Amino acid sequence: GENVEQHPSTLSVQEGDSAVIKCTYSDSASNYFPWYKQELGKRPQLIIDIRSNVGEKKDQRIAVTLNKTAKHFSLHITETQPEDSAVYFCAAKRNTGFQKLVFGTGTRLLVSP
Amino acid sequence: DAMVIQNPRYQVTQFGKPVTLSCSQTLNHNVMYWYQQKSSQAPKLLFHYYDKDFNNEADTPDNFQSRRPNTSFCFLDIRSPGLGDAAMYLCATSRDPAGTQFFGPGTRLTVL
Repeated sequence: GENVEQHPSTLSVQEGDSAVIKCTYSDSASNYFPWYKQELGKRPQLIIDIRSNVGEKKDQRIAVTLNKTAKHFSLHITETQPEDSAVYFCAAKRNTGFQKLVFGTGTRLLVSP
Repeated sequence: DAMVIQNPRYQVTQFGKPVTLSCSQTLNHNVMYWYQQKSSQAPKLLFHYYDKDFNNEADTPDNFQSRRPNTSFCFLDIRSPGLGDAAMYLCATSRDPAGTQFFGPGTRLTVL
């Protein structure tokens, strides 16, 4: 089955710096890769996702890159703000039939003013 | 505006006393999921419904059951809660199995 590894487990940056979180997956058939942001005590919220026919996707300060050959994908946050502080989860799944979403272990991002 | 609603937001029960958590959605999505999330961990899928078809994860304890009486509602029943079942329970929905999953706000369960 699919296995997703996520690094780092914690990341501290200064406001305005960039933050990068990396994930690797094991199932070469996985073709959907969402990223969720979860603030303390709140729901996971989808912030960006990418499908395997695309190498990069950007939405304002957030971007995700995908390297299918190496089986890794990364979340990039530029010009970080204190409100970006949260736990970020990557996930991977096949989109054929029902395949469950397999989450990474999460990265706690702390942005200091 | 709420699309996936969970009630109650906080639930306290006693060891061994059955409890039911509810989830409703206004998205008319075909798939509804129940996840368990413990502190500092990723959500763990318990089961899902695709329309009326129920699918249990292999490692979901028998203590956990679910009902989906109609498209909009889904319930999680914990027959005999143990201390280890204290967690955040998240409901999610997607239009179809390949669709994006949207999470509800969760119910935090405390077992005394």
